[in-house]
Amino acid sequence: DAGVIQSPRHEVTEMGQEVTLRCKPISGHNSLFWYRQTMMRGLELLIYFNNNVPIDDSGMPEDRFSAKMPNASFSTLKIQPSEPRDSAVYFCASSPGGARTGELFFGEGSRLTVL
Amino acid sequence: DAKTTQPTSMDCAEGRAANLPCNHSTISGNEYVYWYRQIHSQGPQYIIHGLKNNETNEMASLIITEDRKSSTLILPHATLRDTAVYYCIVRVADNAGNMLTFGGGTRLMVKP
Repeated sequence: DAGVIQSPRHEVTEMGQEVTLRCKPISGHNSLFWYRQTMMRGLELLIYFNNNVPIDDSGMPEDRFSAKMPNASFSTLKIQPSEPRDSAVYFCASSPGGARTGELFFGEGSRLTVL
Repeated sequence: DAKTTQPTSMDCAEGRAANLPCNHSTISGNEYVYWYRQIHSQGPQYIIHGLKNNETNEMASLIITEDRKSSTLILPHATLRDTAVYYCIVRVADNAGNMLTFGGGTRLMVKP
């Protein structure tokens, strides 16, 4: 089975540029999560979707960040404009829900470096 | 969510059992204990979860005390590939908000 697929795996960009991270969840999973990981702050939940609907975006750091889930098989996390402090590894995860709520399957992450 | 406390780091000899403790003294009756691990440069990986009974799967065993204020994750025969950060999380397992909040975790080093 294909796991959660994220792209790009690595992104290096300059401050002020737009960054788009992509995620394909596991087929049949009804919840999708975006996390960010840095050495200083650890793993932070940014936003999660349930059945393609954003449920809680309280973790999104500021208006420069936006996330969409246009269908059950695709989600994007966009940063515009990017800043050096956005440098981190961004993880996408999906969950089957139901009796397996809490079992999150993570992708391999997108490592973002903003110069 | 109930707060968890874990040792920052632990060592274990290869082939021996690794016992990773977690304190969650403020856990509520409807909160589950989840364990995840994160191997270097990879995304976190689900290991096991439980409510009040001990649980076992192909990866590990979870022992929850009777008062549910602490738990122990047991890797019965640790290998070098088990070197990772292990996260203990407590969370209500509902559909309305199945968010998991990760703390600092325990860095387990399995040594030859």
